[in-house]
Amino acid sequence: QKEVEQNSGPLSVPEGAIASLNCTYSDRGSQSFFWYRQYSGKSPELIMSIYSNGDKEDGRFTAQLNKASQYVSLLIRDSQPSDSATYLCAGSGSQGNLIFGKGTKLSVKP
Amino acid sequence: GAVVSQHPSRVICKSGTSVKIECRSLDFQATTMFWYRQFPKQSLMLMATSNEGSKATYEQGVEKDKFLINHASLTLSTLTVTSAHPEDSSFYICSATDGYNQPQHFGDGTRLSIL
Repeated sequence: QKEVEQNSGPLSVPEGAIASLNCTYSDRGSQSFFWYRQYSGKSPELIMSIYSNGDKEDGRFTAQLNKASQYVSLLIRDSQPSDSATYLCAGSGSQGNLIFGKGTKLSVKP
Repeated sequence: GAVVSQHPSRVICKSGTSVKIECRSLDFQATTMFWYRQFPKQSLMLMATSNEGSKATYEQGVEKDKFLINHASLTLSTLTVTSAHPEDSSFYICSATDGYNQPQHFGDGTRLSIL
């Protein structure tokens, strides 16, 4: 069974801090990875894509991929209360699908 | 770019009614579309995968005669919940992708309430 594992949280950080979200995956054949943000009662929204080892930065977000360790992470700098949401990690599957983790709930306290 | 439109956003109807939900990719051709269901405080559950012009592939435990999927073009997929019952009440979300190893782009979801 191909899986993506995430700590369900909740992860609580103070406003202005760095939030670190982590994800591991079991399928070594996964080529691409994605982070989605889902606010309560809303559908997921793509925030980062990463395809190769290393870091990828976009504004306050940095995604990190280590294929040897089968590990993906998302760092959110200068966290804001509006970042409070569930963050879903996903890896590409062999059928053109994505394999989603169950999500980590992030709470940013003012 | 990569906008997926899903309609309706909310449906409230009586038990026994059939409900059709549309999912359109507005600015790209979607080789594959996906249908998910999400119950409150639970994770996304993939229901089925559909490719244009092909029969949908349903996940284990999802009744294909209950949840009819049509993917007639590269920009449109529909999900019909036939003879809906209160236990079918949920948040239904579609997504679309334009290729392997590419992200899925989600519609805004349809909140279905069956009375």
